[in-house]
Amino acid sequence: DIQLTQSPSFLSASVGDRVTITCRASQGISRYLAWYQQKPGKAPKLLIYSASTLQSGVPSRFSGSGSGTDFTLTISSLQPEDFATYFCQQLNTHLPWTFGQGTKVDVK
Amino acid sequence: QVQLVESGGGVVQPLTSLRLSCAASGFPFSAYGMHWVRQAPGKGPEWVALIWSDGSETYYADSVQGRFTISRDNSKNTLDLQMNSLRVEDTAVYYCARSGARYCRSLDCFGSFALDVWGQGTTVIVSS
Repeated sequence: DIQLTQSPSFLSASVGDRVTITCRASQGISRYLAWYQQKPGKAPKLLIYSASTLQSGVPSRFSGSGSGTDFTLTISSLQPEDFATYFCQQLNTHLPWTFGQGTKVDVK
Repeated sequence: QVQLVESGGGVVQPLTSLRLSCAASGFPFSAYGMHWVRQAPGKGPEWVALIWSDGSETYYADSVQGRFTISRDNSKNTLDLQMNSLRVEDTAVYYCARSGARYCRSLDCFGSFALDVWGQGTTVIVSS
């Protein structure tokens, strides 16, 4: 199975900060990568698919980049509603699809 | 509005069975592939199974292959997950989720558009 390693696992930030989360795959996955946001007790919410395509309705402060094995989620200016846990998911054509372990973004 | 509502979770003993259901509304259910994803307490999500829009193809995670069966009834807009021989490690919140694109007929398509709509989840606890 393809392993995804997110870094950091925890991140303390302030409103207005630029936040960057990385996701590294154990083997190349082209651009088959998605990012999700999850708040406590809620389902994950799709933010980015195909590594860099913004899901409809998601604010433009969220952006994704990368291909192959290294990917990045950036929040350009952190807002109060962005404090949450973020997961990457690889959806390579070889199953199974796997998720990263998550990055929790909390208040500094 | 687009909505997925899971049901059927509960507390069961190891080696027993449980059937989860997901009711879809607000979109053409028969046009979309559907997934089950689970999340154990304090862990990241785990993809469980995928079924094509017409039910003709199914895929499973190795951890559930041979024990779980995904199915759908497009006339009733429902998705099911039959879970047999349950184990303690199957304890999780189970989500149904929609594929991000209509009429996907390849893993490349499913992989390109991810999972765009999720239900609120139903909790399964396997304990003796």
